[in-house]
Amino acid sequence: GAVVSQHPSRVICKSGTSVKIECRSLDFQATTMFWYRQFPKQSLMLMATSNEGSKATYEQGVEKDKFLINHASLTLSTLTVTSAHPEDSSFYICSAQVYSNQPQHFGDGTRLSIL
Amino acid sequence: GNSVTQMEGPVTLSEEAFLTINCTYTATGYPSLFWYVQYPGEGLQLLLKATKADDKGSNKGFEATYRKETTSFHLEKGSVQVSDSAVYFCALSDLNQAGTALIFGKGTTLSVSS
Repeated sequence: GAVVSQHPSRVICKSGTSVKIECRSLDFQATTMFWYRQFPKQSLMLMATSNEGSKATYEQGVEKDKFLINHASLTLSTLTVTSAHPEDSSFYICSAQVYSNQPQHFGDGTRLSIL
Repeated sequence: GNSVTQMEGPVTLSEEAFLTINCTYTATGYPSLFWYVQYPGEGLQLLLKATKADDKGSNKGFEATYRKETTSFHLEKGSVQVSDSAVYFCALSDLNQAGTALIFGKGTTLSVSS
């Protein structure tokens, strides 16, 4: 149980393109979903936290107009990287949580490469 | 603020060797502590967790004990296998406005050779 599906797993696109990444909890309802970014050989940095039906809470330094997060249902959150540039190339990972005292379950990540 | 410090890697071991990956934390309150594992090209998988002082988390031969007096949560395994090669992240839970975000250490790469 507790499977989180992230799609796509890899994206390569031109600079200026907007890219949408989906995160789905397949067998549970997630009240909270998190988006992380991981640079090569570094740890995961929290970008934003989203609750279903609410606006996402962004971490300091993360541009909310650049990284649009929608959490329209208890099983789906999307991250849209708008007008992506090479510096946005990274590994993006989502996680989902049923309640705040429960562990987070992670997707397999999306490798985004902007040419 | 809260933080997690892990030993620098990479850690290179022979099969069946004993493994210790050190993790210490700084936190206000009483966080839960976690170890996650990331295999190449994949997302993170929860390896084990402990929610209060003196709890021992264990899974797949790995274990870690929540030590409040030393603010540590060291990961150990008695006999590593080649299949244990991965990056290991220590993490703690931190309450924020919208949920319980995780704060991660920088990760420790483990390479096990046969």
